[in-house]
Amino acid sequence: EAGVAQSPRYKIIEKRQSVAFWCNPISGHATLYWYQQILGQGPKLLIQFQNNGVVDDSQLPKDRFSAERLKGVDSTLKIQPAKLEDSAVYLCASGGQGGDTQYFGPGTRLTVL
Amino acid sequence: RKEVEQDPGPFNVPEGATVAFNCTYSNSASQSFFWYRQDCRKEPKLLMSVYSSGNEDGRFTAQLNRASQYISLLIRDSKLSDSATYLCVVNRGTGGFKTIFGAGTRLFVKA
Repeated sequence: EAGVAQSPRYKIIEKRQSVAFWCNPISGHATLYWYQQILGQGPKLLIQFQNNGVVDDSQLPKDRFSAERLKGVDSTLKIQPAKLEDSAVYLCASGGQGGDTQYFGPGTRLTVL
Repeated sequence: RKEVEQDPGPFNVPEGATVAFNCTYSNSASQSFFWYRQDCRKEPKLLMSVYSSGNEDGRFTAQLNRASQYISLLIRDSKLSDSATYLCVVNRGTGGFKTIFGAGTRLFVKA
């Protein structure tokens, strides 16, 4: 079974630039999560989708971050404009309908200069 | 106060030692609990779910104490390969449940 796919794996940008990350969950998984993990900290949930609807985006900085999952399958997370403090690993995870167990992708390591 | 708290460690133990990690959660509505393992520069992976009755998987034992709102993970006979960060995870709610990760506890097992 293919796992969660993410791209790109690494991205370096300058502050105020825009960046987008892509995630393709495990086939059939209804729930998709985006997390931000800053070095030395646990993952912080940014947004959670159930199919193509948003379940929780309470910790998403909506002035600069946006995410969509238009067809209930793959998803895109965008940052516009980026700040230095956005440097982190962005993890995508997926789970079944009940969503208990989460399967993570390899992450995208973002460096903002 | 964070909703899920863990001792950050690091825990430095010799091979063969027994080590225990604790995790506390503040929201009594929390419903399901997990331990994930994260190797350096890798993604988190599910280690085990945590049930009220306690559960064991080989050298790993997880316990849940709902009254005191804490979860524990016990690793017996530590191996070098157990070196990693152990993340406590709590879900609360149904349907639109919310997932909260602890900051993780780092474990170093040395020869």
